Order: sequence, then C-alpha cells, then structure tokens
Amino acid sequence: SQTIHQWPATLVQPVGSPLSLECTVEGTSNPNLYWYRQAAGRGLQLLFYSVGIGQISSEVPQNLSASRPQDRQFILSSKKLLLSDSGFYLCAWSLTSGLANEQFFGPGTRLTVL
Amino acid sequence: GQNIDQPTEMTATEGAIVQINCTYQTSGFNGLFWYQQHAGEAPTFLSYNVLDGLEEKGRFSSFLSRSKGYSYLLLKELQMKDSASYLCAPRGKLQFGAGTQVVVTP
Repeated sequence: SQTIHQWPATLVQPVGSPLSLECTVEGTSNPNLYWYRQAAGRGLQLLFYSVGIGQISSEVPQNLSASRPQDRQFILSSKKLLLSDSGFYLCAWSLTSGLANEQFFGPGTRLTVL
Repeated sequence: GQNIDQPTEMTATEGAIVQINCTYQTSGFNGLFWYQQHAGEAPTFLSYNVLDGLEEKGRFSSFLSRSKGYSYLLLKELQMKDSASYLCAPRGKLQFGAGTQVVVTP
C-alpha cells in the first residue's frame, strides 16, 4: 500500500532563517506531487506541483522554492522565512493519469515563524 | 480557491441533516471531489462525482450538476465526529474551495 511521510511535524523558526521541509512517498512510482499551504482557518493554497523528477511548476510567486531530486521525494525550501510563511504545509500525491486526480495527503507540517 | 464557492460555516444538531453547496466554473471540468478535514489534520477523500446525479455512500451523499456548475455534499444522521471542514475540489483545476466548517452540536 502507498504511504506518504512528511517531516518535521511541527517547526518554529525565526524570521529570516532558512527552511527545508521534506516529503516522501512509498509504494508507488512516478506520482504527481504537490505542496499546499493552509493558513489558520483558511482553504488550501497550491504552492507547487511536480509531474516528474526535476519538473516543478509554481502556482504562486513567493519566497519559497521546491525541488524533486528523486522520483518519490519532494522538498519545500526557503532561504529567508517571512512572518507570512506561517501555516500548515501539506504534501500530497496522486496517480500520473492526469493532474488533480484523487490526492492523498501527508500528515502536514505546522510552521510558526516568529 | 478561485471561482469555487462554498458557505463558510454551517451548524446543525446531532442526528440532523446538512447540505453543503459548492459552485464552480464549468470550463475544463472533469469531475469533482469532496474531502473532509478535521482540525489540525490533513484532508481525506470522501467522494468523487463525474456524471450528473446523486452518489450515495453510507451517511454521506454527493450530487453533481455539470451544466449548472453545482455540487452538494449531504451529511445525514449527523454525529459529533462529523464536525470538520468539507472541501470541494473540481478535478483538473488543482484548486480547492476554502471549505465549509460544519459544527455539530449535542
């Protein structure tokens, strides 16, 4: 069966510090991968998606970046965090037969920028 | 999400029925998902509609009208554990609605 992992579960970082969140998927090959952010009490905002290794599409201009160094690994990064980067970050995967199939979400990382 | 409209919050008592409406833009439409998200947790899949009509799955049912760009999620025999946010997501758009927070009271 497929599983998706994210770490860390929670993170508190000062403004201006770097960020690296990691997501890995097991039990499937060549998945579509997604990074979402959810601000408190708000909906999901798609940040990045990837249809293959090294292929990243950015949905929203910001100080975040994403990379996919391996088939089942998706990394969200920032060189300098802003207060507005606080939120609940969710990684998700779906089958490759077209974008936005049913998505399976990881447990999320709750980031607080102080 | 852009062009996806859901009510912000709905309150109902245990045992009651609640209907959550979702309207969306119809261009490029290819099915619609509903997800459930409990506070502090990741969303989980509830239903998928690709054809018009009602799909029933236990206490939850989902309806779709493609020509009207309209869907609803029907929650029957509400239980306290149904208190959560319900997200509407048209397939192919990579977007989710902002979610409807359902509060179930005793």
